[in-house]
Amino acid sequence: GDSVTQTEGQVALSEEDFLTIHCNYSASGYPALFWYVQYPGEGPQFLFRASRDKEKGSSRGFEATYNKEATSFHLQKASVQESDSAVYYCALSNMGYKLTFGTGTSLLVDP
Amino acid sequence: EAAVTQSPRNKVTVTGGNVTLSCRQTNSHNYMYWYRQDTGHGLRLIHYSYGAGNLQIGDVPDGYKATRTTQEDFFLLLELASPSQTSLYFCASRGGSYAEQFFGPGTRLTVL
Repeated sequence: GDSVTQTEGQVALSEEDFLTIHCNYSASGYPALFWYVQYPGEGPQFLFRASRDKEKGSSRGFEATYNKEATSFHLQKASVQESDSAVYYCALSNMGYKLTFGTGTSLLVDP
Repeated sequence: EAAVTQSPRNKVTVTGGNVTLSCRQTNSHNYMYWYRQDTGHGLRLIHYSYGAGNLQIGDVPDGYKATRTTQEDFFLLLELASPSQTSLYFCASRGGSYAEQFFGPGTRLTVL
């Protein structure tokens, strides 16, 4: 079946550091890829999506590029802020009706 | 903006107890979902529905029933709750294929 792998369980950075959270997927066909963010005490929120190879999704300074050859969709941000501290989930949708999520990466940014 | 509400926000029950979690969305979305969230597992899909009266089995359905009574309302039922079902439960809705999902604030369930 479909799966999403996030290799970093936790990431600790200082403000203005560069962020990369790795996401790799395994799926038949041509899935749509998503990033969601979850702040403490809230439900996950949609960050952005990409639907085809080499498409870049972006929002709030975060970005990721769909790489079909590498089966990756890594999340990056050039300069993180304390307010970016949250859990980030990579997800894929292969049949259009449900999402398969990774296990999440907890980002902690020190001021 | 889509609104998804869940009730109760917190629930404590005992092993063997009967629990119903409620979800309502007010954006006329067709699809609704129930997930559980556990450390080390992320979000796992329990059941979902694409309209009133419809129910589809998700990836971790054992021990759970669900019912979609209207387009707005989706319920998750635990008829014989077990400690392994202690978790944070999220409901979500979505309008169309590959569209974003909107999540509710979650219900924390503890089974003693």
